[in-house]
Amino acid sequence: GQSLEQPSEVTAVEGAIVQINCTYQTSGFYGLSWYQQHDGGAPTFLSYNALDGLEETGRFSSFLSRSDSYGYLLLQELQMKDSASYFCAVGYNFNKFYFGSGTKLNVKP
Amino acid sequence: DVKVTQSSRYLVKRTGEKVFLECVQDMDHENMFWYRQDPGLGLRLIYFSYDVKMKEKGDIPEGYSVSREKKERFSLILESASTNQTSMYLCASSPALDRVMNTEAFFGQGTRLTVV
Repeated sequence: GQSLEQPSEVTAVEGAIVQINCTYQTSGFYGLSWYQQHDGGAPTFLSYNALDGLEETGRFSSFLSRSDSYGYLLLQELQMKDSASYFCAVGYNFNKFYFGSGTKLNVKP
Repeated sequence: DVKVTQSSRYLVKRTGEKVFLECVQDMDHENMFWYRQDPGLGLRLIYFSYDVKMKEKGDIPEGYSVSREKKERFSLILESASTNQTSMYLCASSPALDRVMNTEAFFGQGTRLTVV
C-alpha cells in the first residue's frame, strides 16, 4: 500500500492559523487531496493539488511539493466548527484513492 | 444533490455469518470504492471498481469480496464474518479520470458493523 503520514492530533485556538502536514512515500500519483470528517459524518472533499504550489479556497489552502514528498493543509481564522478529522489522500489512475491516517483537529475557544 | 447511500447505518452480525453491505450512487460515476475506518488507521482501501463487473483489490482485501453488477451499485461481502472485521465501512464513488479532471470522491454515511 501507499504510506501517507500525518500528525495524529493538533490543537489550536479559535481565530488562529493551523497547518496540518502530510508526508508520503509513494510516487506516480496525479494529485494530493484533502478531506474533512466530523465525528459521525462522512468525509467531504476540501481541496486538491495537481501541481506543486499553493491552492486557496476561502479559509483553506493546500500546498504540494513533489520534490519534498510533502504537502499541507492550512486553515486560517479557525472556527469551532473546524474541529474535525482531516485526511490527505493521493490519487492514481482511474481515480484510485489512498488515504492517510488522519489528523484530529481540536479548536478551543 | 449528489448522493451515495449505504443500506444500513448500524449492523450487528454473528461470527461466521455471510454479510452483505450495499452501496448505491446516483451520480453515474464509473468508480466505486469500499474502505474500512478504524481509529488511528485512517481509511484503508478494501476493494475498488472502475466499471461494471471490474474490480481491483486494495490494501486489505482478505476476508472480503465485492460485486458490481450494475453501474450504480457496489456490494461488499464478508464471506464469513469475524470479530476483527468489526469496523466502520465507508463506500465512495468518483468519476473516471478520463471523463473529467476531477479527483473528488463522494462518500456515504458509513455502516458501523459489529461482529459478535
